[in-house]
Amino acid sequence: DAKTTQPPSMDCAEGRAANLPCNHSTISGNEYVYWYRQIHSQGPQYIIHGLKNNETNEMASLIITEDRKSSTLILPHATLRDTAVYYCIVRVAMDSSYKLIFGSGTRLLVRP
Amino acid sequence: NAGVMQNPRHLVRRRGQEARLRCSPMKGHSHVYWYRQLPEEGLKFMVYLQKENIIDESGMPKERFSAEFPKEGPSILRIQQVVRGDSAAYFCASSSDVGEQFFGPGTRLTVL
Repeated sequence: DAKTTQPPSMDCAEGRAANLPCNHSTISGNEYVYWYRQIHSQGPQYIIHGLKNNETNEMASLIITEDRKSSTLILPHATLRDTAVYYCIVRVAMDSSYKLIFGSGTRLLVRP
Repeated sequence: NAGVMQNPRHLVRRRGQEARLRCSPMKGHSHVYWYRQLPEEGLKFMVYLQKENIIDESGMPKERFSAEFPKEGPSILRIQQVVRGDSAAYFCASSSDVGEQFFGPGTRLTVL
């Protein structure tokens, strides 16, 4: 079962920041938070991941609360092409690698 | 650097036939993962393989499904005696030892 909960849908205006919340209250100390998105029916696309500290890359920023029980993905200037389903995932370690347990995600609609 | 390749992209089978789905990982990646996505749902982990070894098959149905990742060639997900409930999108992902999982475009299986 997924270890995360997300709102089923959100919308934002084009050009504005999109803030997507995620709760992961049962996360363990060594488990990472990953974000992927799926545009239409394509394969999921990696966005960003983090453990404790906030992270930023060319796509997005990830803000993780100090107690690590929740996080927020920020798309600073959303475009129409950012319309997608966004998955917040707690990475589960396996022997020498890991698996991703997907939840239902948040369907983000960026409005013109 | 080519991404993860999957073929065929679309596959139609009649009930009782066999379906073979292929996945070529990204160059340099030795870890392959298969996920299944039913309509309007998130991805569900099926199996994790390294070259010639199945590491975790906890998400695989007990019957009719098998996977392999031979020393040479692509990873194969094989579904014997398909039923209508097998209709879904099947995604393959690959990773290096510690890197992110990169997903292929998926194979959409339709069982008539």
